[in-house]
Amino acid sequence: DAGVIQSPRHEVTEMGQEVTLRCKPISGHDYLFWYRQTMMRGLELLIYFNNNVPIDDSGMPEDRFSAKMPNASFSTLKIQPSEPRDSAVYFCASSRGGARNRPQHFGDGTRLSIL
Amino acid sequence: QQPVQSPQAVILREGEDAVINCSSSKALYSVHWYRQKHGEAPVFLMILLKGGEQMRHEKISASFNEKKQQSSLYLTASQLSYSGTYFCGTEERNTSGTYKYIFGTGTRLKVLA
Repeated sequence: DAGVIQSPRHEVTEMGQEVTLRCKPISGHDYLFWYRQTMMRGLELLIYFNNNVPIDDSGMPEDRFSAKMPNASFSTLKIQPSEPRDSAVYFCASSRGGARNRPQHFGDGTRLSIL
Repeated sequence: QQPVQSPQAVILREGEDAVINCSSSKALYSVHWYRQKHGEAPVFLMILLKGGEQMRHEKISASFNEKKQQSSLYLTASQLSYSGTYFCGTEERNTSGTYKYIFGTGTRLKVLA
């Protein structure tokens, strides 16, 4: 079975540019999570969806960040405009059922560098 | 608000045992454990759903003490493949009734031959 697929794997861009990260969850999974990982803050939950509906976005740092899930097989995380402090590894994860009693399956991540 | 893990880092020789602790200031409803190797994604190890529950994944086991709001991961007879960063994950309920998932501070484990 294909795992969670993220693209791009690496992104280097200049401050002020728009960045779009993409995620394809595992087929049949109804929960999708976006995380950000940095050395300073560890692994932080940004937002999660259930059946394509955003449930909790309290982790989204500010209005520059937005996430969408137009259908069950695709989600995007957008940063506009990007800033150097947004540099991090962004992971997408999916699960079948809520995260409370189901394992989350992570994608390989997108390593984002904002210059 | 992040669950605090201890120790922050540990170095072992192959075959030695280790314990990693995860403590939360809030009530725990479930605890997940993940391992992340350098440059890779976190990989699920196990879930503990209720107090006192113990689970096992190969030679790695875990316990969950709901009263103390903590979980411990036990690595027995460690192997080189155990090296990585271990994270606990816990659930925090929002006032709206939804929950958000929070990962612990992480424990870096290195197993030497």
